[in-house]
Amino acid sequence: DTAVSQTPKYLVTQMGNDKSIKCEQNLGHDTMYWYKQDSKKFLKIMFSYNNKELIINETVPNRFSPKSPDKAHLNLHINSLELGDSAVYFCASSLRGSDEKLFFGSGTQLSVL
Amino acid sequence: TQLLEQSPQFLSIQEGENLTVYCNSSSVFSSLQWYRQEPGEGPVLLVTVVTGGEVKKLKRLTFQFGDARKDSSLHITAAQPGDTGLYLCANYGGATNKLIFGTGTLLAVQP
Repeated sequence: DTAVSQTPKYLVTQMGNDKSIKCEQNLGHDTMYWYKQDSKKFLKIMFSYNNKELIINETVPNRFSPKSPDKAHLNLHINSLELGDSAVYFCASSLRGSDEKLFFGSGTQLSVL
Repeated sequence: TQLLEQSPQFLSIQEGENLTVYCNSSSVFSSLQWYRQEPGEGPVLLVTVVTGGEVKKLKRLTFQFGDARKDSSLHITAAQPGDTGLYLCANYGGATNKLIFGTGTLLAVQP
């Protein structure tokens, strides 16, 4: 069983569209994250949720809206997609929060045309 | 915000060669994690180092934490094609104690 699973694996869409990426973890972890990896492979945190509560919200455009219906799920909705949103988005989880190892999903490659 | 600089940025070597990659910061690390990311996958934790001067071994991989806890290195002995991937160091920092990743070293081991 995959510990952290995200769907879809690939997402190709037009500028201006709205899209969602879903993430689920079956590890029983309390904390989930969204990271963005750019074309230079730099991995940067976007959001963090602890037990459905938003903990970290980096300087991300408000077109990005995370939603955590329960502590095992963290979805990412993106409105009005722009060319610069093209990247690989990773979901991750950790047992509690700080000072712990992260378990990552296999990523969603988003291409905005 | 703490910046973790990794070097080299890219490394292409032949199978059987040895290599070292570095992770440096101007700030002191509380602890440091090393991850490997294979193509098409997410990063996977290799090791966490905590104590200055600490050395940890994972098969052919040797991780060292600097005495002053401001730098770390990863040495791979007799590299194999399966070692190919992006090596990332990471440290918890910032006002919200988030996991911050380094700039990465992309390693390609040719058979």
